[in-house]
Amino acid sequence: GENVEQHPSTLSVQEGDSAVIKCTYSDSASNYFPWYKQELGKRPQLIIDIRSNVGEKKDQRIAVTLNKTAKHFSLHITETQPEDSAVYFCAASIGGADGLTFGKGTHLIIQP
Amino acid sequence: DTGVSQDPRHKITKRGQNVTFRCDPISEHNRLYWYRQTLGQGPEFLTYFQNEAQLEKSRLLSDRFSAERPKGSFSTLEIQRTEQGDSAMYLCASSLAEGARTEAFFGQGTRLTVV
Repeated sequence: GENVEQHPSTLSVQEGDSAVIKCTYSDSASNYFPWYKQELGKRPQLIIDIRSNVGEKKDQRIAVTLNKTAKHFSLHITETQPEDSAVYFCAASIGGADGLTFGKGTHLIIQP
Repeated sequence: DTGVSQDPRHKITKRGQNVTFRCDPISEHNRLYWYRQTLGQGPEFLTYFQNEAQLEKSRLLSDRFSAERPKGSFSTLEIQRTEQGDSAMYLCASSLAEGARTEAFFGQGTRLTVV
């Protein structure tokens, strides 16, 4: 089955700096890669996703890049703000949101 | 709130008891998923439905677990003879599988504690 590795497990950045979280996947058939943000005690919320027919997608301060050859994808957050502090999960699946395989998460800490 | 809703939010039960959780998806969504999340880990896929049909089950879903979606709307997840290892957050998600729109939206979860 699919295996998703996520790094780092904890990331601390100064407010205003950029943050990058990286994930690798094992199944070359995976074609859908969402990112979820989860604040303490709350539900995971979809923040951005990318499909295998594109290499990059941006939404304001958030961007995701995908390298199908290397089987890795990354989340980039620019101009970080205190409200960006949360746990971020990457995931992968074949054919959309069915049976998502999640990484173990990255705890992003924004230092004031 | 017109998102995915789950009930109850918290459940404490004694080992060996049966528990049932309910999930109400976003109304027009035809797919419904169950995940389990333990502390410090990402959600783990358990099973999913398209309308009332259960299409996939993870090997994590032992024979003590059963899920139903009888009318293609709400779903229930039952755990029989609970064990301490079942303690976790049980998350439900739903999506509309239509063309390129396949994003899954999560509920707030049911936190199960088995004592």
